[in-house]
Amino acid sequence: KQEVTQIPAALSVPEGENLVLNCSFTDSAIYNLQWFRQDPGKGLTSLLLIQSSQREQTSGRLNASLDKSSGRSTLYIAASQPGDSATYLCAVRRRAGANNLFFGTGTRLTVIP
Amino acid sequence: EAGVAQSPRYKIIEKRQSVAFWCNPISGHATLYWYQQILGQGPKLLIQFQNNGVVDDSQLPKDRFSAERLKGVDSTLKIQPAKLEDSAVYLCASSSLTGSRNTIYFGEGSWLTVV
Repeated sequence: KQEVTQIPAALSVPEGENLVLNCSFTDSAIYNLQWFRQDPGKGLTSLLLIQSSQREQTSGRLNASLDKSSGRSTLYIAASQPGDSATYLCAVRRRAGANNLFFGTGTRLTVIP
Repeated sequence: EAGVAQSPRYKIIEKRQSVAFWCNPISGHATLYWYQQILGQGPKLLIQFQNNGVVDDSQLPKDRFSAERLKGVDSTLKIQPAKLEDSAVYLCASSSLTGSRNTIYFGEGSWLTVV
């Protein structure tokens, strides 16, 4: 069974700092990996989707990388801002079929002004 | 493009009572998911629909939970009778295909507290 782990569970950084969030998964047979953001009291907002054939995806200040063979992904946030404070979740999608999206427990990020 | 709509946003009920949540997916999305997210955990799939058929409900507690998606559009998730451990956020999501390449879009969730 696929297990997804996110470390650290919580992270506090001063504004302006670059930071990296980590996601690891046990089964490398995935189709893609998706990073989400969740604000308190809100649902999940998709940030980046990386297909298994890709190494990275970029959107603005965000860059997500994928190393499928080692079962790892990172989300890099450049020049962090207080508005980036949220919980970040990664989810891996295995081969097409039922119940194919597995989530980590998230990293709660606080950016201190 | 309108997002995934859910209602009600918040609900407080006593244990053994019943509750129903409604979801309207993004227009044209064939696949609809219901996830349960307990505080401090990642979302867990309860049920997945493809159009109006069930693809996977293996983690749905069928003795108390039920879901339907009539006409392949809107969906309802019902809990009867509720238990204290059902307190969670119920997230509805949709995607255009069951294939792997498509982004899944989530609603804002329905927050359930069972007292």
